[in-house]
Amino acid sequence: EPEVTQTPSHQVTQMGQEVILRCVPISNHLYFYWYRQILGQKVEFLVSFYNNEISEKSEIFDDQFSVERPDGSNFTLKIRSTKLEDSAMYFCASSGKGLQPQHFGDGTRLSIL
Amino acid sequence: AQSVTQPDIHITVSEGASLELRCNYSYGATPYLFWYVQSPGQGLQLLLKYFSGDTLVQGIKGFEAEFKRSQSSFNLRKPSVHWSDAAEYFCAVGRNYGQNFVFGPGTRLSVLP
Repeated sequence: EPEVTQTPSHQVTQMGQEVILRCVPISNHLYFYWYRQILGQKVEFLVSFYNNEISEKSEIFDDQFSVERPDGSNFTLKIRSTKLEDSAMYFCASSGKGLQPQHFGDGTRLSIL
Repeated sequence: AQSVTQPDIHITVSEGASLELRCNYSYGATPYLFWYVQSPGQGLQLLLKYFSGDTLVQGIKGFEAEFKRSQSSFNLRKPSVHWSDAAEYFCAVGRNYGQNFVFGPGTRLSVLP
């Protein structure tokens, strides 16, 4: 069964540094998402992406965040200048055409030092 | 805006016992409802979904859930729990395809041998 893959599984970065989290969604999916889960808390929506543009974003997704689908297969989340509070598990998800559930990757654990 | 509550933070059951995890949602229109399971260090796996039609939906691993519009609930059930069911369970509500999910805070399930 096709799946969403995320790399790396764990990223350790110094505060203030830029970080890029990578995702390969399911190949025929059209909608792409990023969520995050701070340790011990619930999963929170960050951003959704469709037709090469952001379709929706939450208050968390401020100017420090950006997303890109550079080559038709990868979907990336960039944090320009990381803060301690960005430490979390980041999940990528994708969904197909029509009313379909979102399929999640295994996540990238981001640790900011 | 939609919201999801899961009243039970942590539930412990004995192996072989029945299970019910509660989920209540708040949404003005017809919700699309999901249950996901997260094992430690893993991503979110879809257990089942409700879009329309029969209010009792069957999922993987022997789980089922019942949508009750009058109670704004979508409780997850399993008649006989296995030790491997120990995990975190998240209820989520979606509005339409391509739009973000709102997740509940999760219920951690522990299974006693």
